[in-house]
Parts: sequence; C-alpha cells; structure tokens
Amino acid sequence: ETGVTQTPRHLVMGMTNKKSLKCEQHLGHNAMYWYKQSAKKPLELMFVYSLEERVENNSVPSRFSPECPNSSHLFLHLHTLQPEDSALYLCASSQDTRTSGNTIYFGEGSWLTVV
Amino acid sequence: SQQGEEDPQALSIQEGENATMNCSYKTSINNLQWYRQNSGRGLVHLILIRSNEREKHSGRLRVTLDTSKKSSSLLITASRAADTASYFCATDNSGGYQKVTFGTGTKLQVIP
Repeated sequence: ETGVTQTPRHLVMGMTNKKSLKCEQHLGHNAMYWYKQSAKKPLELMFVYSLEERVENNSVPSRFSPECPNSSHLFLHLHTLQPEDSALYLCASSQDTRTSGNTIYFGEGSWLTVV
Repeated sequence: SQQGEEDPQALSIQEGENATMNCSYKTSINNLQWYRQNSGRGLVHLILIRSNEREKHSGRLRVTLDTSKKSSSLLITASRAADTASYFCATDNSGGYQKVTFGTGTKLQVIP
C-alpha cells in the first residue's frame, strides 16, 4: 500500500467510448503525475500537477484530458482513443515539484485496453 | 532526452548470486533514484543517491554513482526469488521544478 489508489485497475473500452481513470493520494502531497507505460518503451511522463495547477503537458494528444480538482485527486478523461493507447497508466505523487530528490509514490496502475 | 538507460535489458541469475544493473544518462543531474516494479504493478522507490555521493547502501542494495562517466550501478547481493522484478533508474534534472524521467528498465529473474 503506497498511499496512492487508482481505479479502475482494468478497463476495456471501444474507440468511440468516453471513460475516466481516477487517482487519489492519501499522503498529503502537493504534486501529482500521470505516466504511461507501454511495452519496451521508457516510462512516459504525460502530465504534472502542482497544487492543482498543470505545470507540464508532454505533447499528449487531446484525446487525453487531465483534471485535478484538488491536491488529493487526479483524473484522466479518455475519449476516442486508438488501439495504440493501450497501456498501463500510472498515477504518482510527490511532496512537491520544487524540491529535488523527492521520492515519487506510484499507484498500482490502470491497465487500459482499447478495442 | 534526460532519461536514463538501463543495461542489460534482461538478466537471469540463480538464487544466492549477486545481480548488477547499470544505468547511463546524458546530462548533469541532481540525484539519481532506483525503483523496482513487480510485474504489472506500480513502481516502488528503493534508494536515492545524490550527485555529490559516490556510493550508498541499503540492506542488500548497493548503489554507486560516477558523475564523470554519467553512470550508476545497482548491486543486489545474495539475490532471492522475491527480487524478481524490473528495475528502473530515474534521473532528476535541475530545472525549475523537479522532473523525474525513467528508462526502459532491467528485467531481473532470480531462479530458485
């Protein structure tokens, strides 16, 4: 138990569906992240939020839409995805983004399959 | 890109042997961290080494850092079947905010 909870753990969706991934952290952290992990590729940083403000959007297609309503919750809204978007999506948090050397705490991930 | 690159991509050893994984990176860093990921799960932080440190120990883990060669190694001594996992190095840049980037990982299999 890392203190970062992701739901759902598994999601299968059609290319025309709209779904959302949810992340909640119970660590009192101020920074939250979305990463994408595909087979044989480096872990890709998608979005960074600091105190509910998005500080990084790593050229992620607009079919992925993040939302951070408060420092404990982070969503990833998905719509009109492509099969190549199938991957493990990892949410993470850290104390903040301004201090170097923060440990990043990851959730267990949401396995997404686009059919 | 700032991300670290782990080597080898895969490693298979017998229980009780030592496992060594290496990480190389391209630009200067503040810190380097090692993480572990069990199959299909999230990553778990193992150890952090700062740029002014050369070696660090934590239990059966030993990490070295050579900033002149831009490389780090993770040694797991007396490996156990439970050490089977993927291991990632993560580099921490010195930008305006902490940006941690990961490599593709080393997949370690420890055979009982």
